[in-house]
Amino acid sequence: EDQVTQSPEALRLQEGESSSLNCSYTVSGLRGLFWYRQDPGKGPEFLFTLYSAGEEKEKERLKATLTKKESFLHITAPKPEDSATYLCAGTDSNYQLIWGAGTKLIIKP
Amino acid sequence: GAVVSQHPSWVICKSGTSVKIECRSLDFQATTMFWYRQFPKQSLMLMATSNEGSKATYEQGVEKDKFLINHASLTLSTLTVTSAHPEDSSFYICSASIDGGFGYTFGSGTRLTVV
Repeated sequence: EDQVTQSPEALRLQEGESSSLNCSYTVSGLRGLFWYRQDPGKGPEFLFTLYSAGEEKEKERLKATLTKKESFLHITAPKPEDSATYLCAGTDSNYQLIWGAGTKLIIKP
Repeated sequence: GAVVSQHPSWVICKSGTSVKIECRSLDFQATTMFWYRQFPKQSLMLMATSNEGSKATYEQGVEKDKFLINHASLTLSTLTVTSAHPEDSSFYICSASIDGGFGYTFGSGTRLTVV
């Protein structure tokens, strides 16, 4: 069964303390691996799409990487405004999105 | 970039009434739209896939007579929660497929509270 698992469930960091969020996947015929940011009471906001192992993408303090089994979202020197829930999803061979449960990131000033 | 507008942002209705939620693609044509439900502290749960001009495809366990989906044009899909009950209270989010399934953009969500 296709599955996407995110860890940790929640992560508290001090401002400036770099870390990584993990997204492990078992998705047959993976078409793409997506990262989204979701603020409370809002819809997900697109961050990155990764298509093949070894691919990396960056945006400001965020960098997403992909291997054949997992993806990492690295956050460098985070700021309080980076606090949000980060969602990972994979699309299977039928382009169906399979969602992880998310990681709630809290950055304390 | 591709923008999806969802209205209303929040709605409170009485038990037994119906509520309609609209999802519009503002600057692109969305052949396929998706409707999700999200419970507190949980991820998105796909309810149905809406295709322009045809009947929606519902996920297992989702009552199609309770959650009516209409996708009458390439820029508008609606979700109507019929005879709403308190257990229907949730956060509903629409999404549109862009680039033939290689990207998805989301609406801002609708918080439904049934009292």
